[in-house]
Amino acid sequence: AQTVTQSQPEMSVQEAETVTLSCTYDTSESDYYLFWYKQPPSRQMILVIRQEAYKQQNATENRFSVNFQKAAKSFSLKISDSQLGDAAMYFCAYRSVRGSQGNLIFGKGTKLSVKP
Amino acid sequence: NAGVTQTPKFRVLKTGQSMTLLCAQDMNHEYMYWYRQDPGMGLRLIHYSVGEGTTAKGEVPDGYNVSRLKKQNFLLGLESAAPSQTSVYFCASTLLAGGTNSYNEQFFGPGTRLTVL
Repeated sequence: AQTVTQSQPEMSVQEAETVTLSCTYDTSESDYYLFWYKQPPSRQMILVIRQEAYKQQNATENRFSVNFQKAAKSFSLKISDSQLGDAAMYFCAYRSVRGSQGNLIFGKGTKLSVKP
Repeated sequence: NAGVTQTPKFRVLKTGQSMTLLCAQDMNHEYMYWYRQDPGMGLRLIHYSVGEGTTAKGEVPDGYNVSRLKKQNFLLGLESAAPSQTSVYFCASTLLAGGTNSYNEQFFGPGTRLTVL
């Protein structure tokens, strides 16, 4: 079974600085998707960025980028120029390509605080 | 499009009471999911459905039942609520889920906060 581990329960960053959130996963599959979701106090789950395992190029979305290391099974999220609105819980998630379930497997989350 | 909606948003139950959470999506999605989120935990899959009339168990199905009588609705039932079922419940849906290059985003509802006393 696949597992996702986020080893940083809490992180803090100064506004306008850069922060990196860590995520490792365990799988025997070669094809899969990885995601970072943001959950602000409103509880809404917001997709931040996704990475297809077959793509070597790291995904980027504006101030958000990932460092995908397939061999090391590592998938970290870098937030550049941090803003107060980035304060939230961040969840790393895995999704198999094979099979018919299509559900997401989540890590336990990292709570990010942004200091003004 | 309303996307994924959940009813109710909040609920307090007494131990032993029953209730049904309703999830509705207007995106014609085939796949629907119920997750629960507990403090210090990520979301965990309770049950899921790959199409109208079909349901299957996820990681933590005990104490819950589901039904998907209509494609757009996915109901989660608690027959006899227990304090261990105090949680935030999320519904999600996606168009299709299988195969490489067939990525479809999973859309989440706003969540239901359930407290069982």
